[in-house]
Amino acid sequence: QKEVEQDPGPLSVPEGAIVSLNCTYSNSAFQYFMWYRQYSRKGPELLMYTYSSGNKEDGRFTAQVDKSSKYISLFIRDSQPSDSATYLCATRLGGTSYGKLTFGQGTILTVHP
Amino acid sequence: EPEVTQTPSHQVTQMGQEVILRCVPISNHLYFYWYRQILGQKVEFLVSFYNNEISEKSEIFDDQFSVERPDGSNFTLKIRSTKLEDSAMYFCASRIRSGTKNIQYFGAGTRLSVL
Repeated sequence: QKEVEQDPGPLSVPEGAIVSLNCTYSNSAFQYFMWYRQYSRKGPELLMYTYSSGNKEDGRFTAQVDKSSKYISLFIRDSQPSDSATYLCATRLGGTSYGKLTFGQGTILTVHP
Repeated sequence: EPEVTQTPSHQVTQMGQEVILRCVPISNHLYFYWYRQILGQKVEFLVSFYNNEISEKSEIFDDQFSVERPDGSNFTLKIRSTKLEDSAMYFCASRIRSGTKNIQYFGAGTRLSVL
C-alpha cells in the first residue's frame, strides 16, 4: 500500500470555481501535513502546514486534516488562472524524525479564464 | 526573501560519469535534504543531513550517492558512475529548527540528464 495517495488528475476548472484536492495516507504515525504548489520546472513551494487534525485557513486556501480517516484536503476558493500548477500533499512523522517528507503523486490543476 | 539556490539548473552527462549537484541552503538553516523527482513520478526523499552527518537516507541512496557540506554555505550531492535511470530533477531543501513548525524550503532544482 502506497504511503500517500493522490489523484494525479488532471483537473480543469473555470476561473472562480472552488477546487477540492485530496490525499489519503496509510501511516497513522504521520503528524504533520503540508500542501506544496509546484509550477512547471520549479521547486515545490509551501502553501499550507498543519499539525494533527483540524482546519487551517489562509486567504483563499483552506487545509483540512482528518486523522481518523487518514484524509487530507486542500480547498481553493475563487480560483484564479495563476493557481494553475501541480499541487503536492506531503506528510511527516513527528517525534524525533529528522523531517523526511513523504509526497503524494501531485494533482495537476488548470484554471481557465 | 532568503531562498535555496541550486546549480546548475540543467546538467547533461554521459552514462558512467560522475556529477556533483550543488546547493546553497538558507544561511541560518540547520537541516539539509536532497529529493529527486523522475519525470511524471512523485518527489522522493533521498537523504537528510544534520550536524555534518547523514541523519536519514532512503533505499535509493546507495553507495553511488554521497553528500557533503564542504564549507559553511554549500551542500553537495555527488552521483558516481551515473546511470540512465538517474535522469531526474534533484531538489535540495533546508529547514531551521524552530519549535514544531519545521518547514522545508526547496530550491528550483537541477535537471540531470544522463545520456
